[in-house]
Amino acid sequence: EAGVAQSPRYKIIEKRQSVAFWCNPISGHATLYWYQQILGQGPKLLIQFQNNGVVDDSQLPKDRFSAERLKGVDSTLKIQPAKLEDSAVYLCASTPGGEGEQYFGPGTRLTVT
Amino acid sequence: GDSVTQMEGPVTLSEEAFLTINCTYTATGYPSLFWYVQYPGEGLQLLLKATKADDKGSNKGFEATYRKETTSFHLEKGSVQVSDSAVYFCAPNYNQGGKLIFGQGTELSVKP
Repeated sequence: EAGVAQSPRYKIIEKRQSVAFWCNPISGHATLYWYQQILGQGPKLLIQFQNNGVVDDSQLPKDRFSAERLKGVDSTLKIQPAKLEDSAVYLCASTPGGEGEQYFGPGTRLTVT
Repeated sequence: GDSVTQMEGPVTLSEEAFLTINCTYTATGYPSLFWYVQYPGEGLQLLLKATKADDKGSNKGFEATYRKETTSFHLEKGSVQVSDSAVYFCAPNYNQGGKLIFGQGTELSVKP
């Protein structure tokens, strides 16, 4: 069974530029999560989708971050414009029905200069 | 709000030493409790879990018991190996299907 796929694996941009990350969850998994992991910290949830609906986006900085999961399968997370403090690893995870083990992708390491 | 506190790292041990990584969580409701591990260069993966009080999760020689009275979920292993070197995260799940609240992580380094 294929795992959670993410791309790109690495991205370097200048502040005020925009960037997008892509995630393809495990086939059949209804729930998808985006986490931000700043160096030396644990991951923090940004947004949770159940199929193509948003369940929790309370910690998403909506003035610059957006995410979508239009067909209830893959998802895109965008940052526009980026700030230096957005430098982090962005992790995508999925579960079949929202409970139990979350399966994580390899992450996208973003560096904002 | 909901939170979790982990023992600070890095922790450096010799091979075959006993390991304990402390984890305590805020007592809001009855969360499920998870330990995730991140090996060098790899993604996060589930190590073990416990879903109710007094449950013991175990995997790969690691164990943790859900202690409701002390709101703790300490990770233990009787004899660590070099291959256990990784970052360990404690993570309660408070709303049974939603987000995990991760601790700051504890880096473990095991020397031969």
